[in-house]
Amino acid sequence: SQQGEEDPQALSIQEGENATMNCSYKTSINNLQWYRQNSGRGLVHLILIRSNEREKHSGRLRVTLDTSKKSSSLLITASRAADTASYFCAASGSARQLTFGSGTQLTVLP
Amino acid sequence: KAGVTQTPRYLIKTRGQQVTLSCSPISGHRSVSWYQQTPGQGLQFLFEYFSETQRNKGNFPGRFSGRQFSNSRSEMNVSTLELGDSALYLCASSLEGSGRAPGELFFGEGSRLTVL
Repeated sequence: SQQGEEDPQALSIQEGENATMNCSYKTSINNLQWYRQNSGRGLVHLILIRSNEREKHSGRLRVTLDTSKKSSSLLITASRAADTASYFCAASGSARQLTFGSGTQLTVLP
Repeated sequence: KAGVTQTPRYLIKTRGQQVTLSCSPISGHRSVSWYQQTPGQGLQFLFEYFSETQRNKGNFPGRFSGRQFSNSRSEMNVSTLELGDSALYLCASSLEGSGRAPGELFFGEGSRLTVL
């Protein structure tokens, strides 16, 4: 079963706009990670936020974590057509494995 | 540094056959994890190996097995293939040692298995 559920399932925006994706998880975590997957390819790690952190930035990416609500969000600012991909959150809990969410399909229109 | 290499990239099998997939991790990475990705179930954890030992296992039947060699290369095997085994099988390696929460995973491009 999925540890994380992502919202929305699909998101379509214009180039230059910001994209926000949300992730909810079920159990306590050590860290939460975000990955990107271009169609049919492997996943690429974007950012990791630890359970004692609330916000983290990396380039055009901003991730927040609210452990009281068991939720995280990924913000991509000034989106580009090349950002078109599926985005997954992955929770690291006590089982020493990453459990992935169902993903958000982001389409950035030029 | 070379990335994670998975072979073969594509393969077609028929029901009842078996398949072996190979994964070469990034040099120096001792942890190798396998995931199955399907449109219906998403990304599901299969197992993780560290120093030739299976450290963690997902909820898959015994038809799914794996192993890791002394050079950290890993193989997974699926016996008695079923139509539902059609999926993208992803391998990922990491630097993580024992006792620590999983950090960043480095994924290969995957092996796409089609079962007819």
